[in-house]
Amino acid sequence: DAGVTQSPTHLIKTRGQQVTLRCSPKSGHDTVSWYQQALGQGPQFIFQYYEEEERQRGNFPDRFSGHQFPNYSSELNVNALLLGDSALYLCASSHSSPLHFGNGTRLTVT
Amino acid sequence: AQSVTQPDIHITVSEGASLELRCNYSYGATPYLFWYVQSPGQGLQLLLKYFSGDTLVQGIKGFEAEFKRSQSSFNLRKPSVHWSDAAEYFCAVALNTGNQFYFGTGTSLTVIP
Repeated sequence: DAGVTQSPTHLIKTRGQQVTLRCSPKSGHDTVSWYQQALGQGPQFIFQYYEEEERQRGNFPDRFSGHQFPNYSSELNVNALLLGDSALYLCASSHSSPLHFGNGTRLTVT
Repeated sequence: AQSVTQPDIHITVSEGASLELRCNYSYGATPYLFWYVQSPGQGLQLLLKYFSGDTLVQGIKGFEAEFKRSQSSFNLRKPSVHWSDAAEYFCAVALNTGNQFYFGTGTSLTVIP
């Protein structure tokens, strides 16, 4: 039974560019949440998707957007990248359960 | 506002010694409480959770945690630490499993032989 899978594992982008991160939830899970973890910090909630709709959103600007597909997989898009967007981006899935996390995508903005 | 405080940024213990990691929270109601562990380059793995009932909960890898409502605390303990326990530990709270989780800043554990 595959857990939460994220791609790519590492990514280097230039300031001002756009990036798309992908996530496949654990089998049986229908809810996907995205978190940003800056170096030395705990994860910060970006948003949550359920039934292809954004259900909750944290304190992140509109440059951060997402999507959920009918198969429950999800994408996180970040536009106009800033140096401060460099972080580990974690996807977590759930179904009336605690969050199950993927190993994350390490994004470096130069 | 909801918040989670982990007062200890870094803890060093000897292998075989006992361990206690502190977690305090501020929340409008009694939240769901969680401890996660993160190894370098990895995602977060759930160690244990508290929803209601017995305030002492058992988790994986020999960890346990105790919920103390009067102190708004949910401290993680292990009687005898193994070298493989070296990792980053995060306490988290949520209104329920369907809501956003609020994480502390983490405690880094080093285990010395």
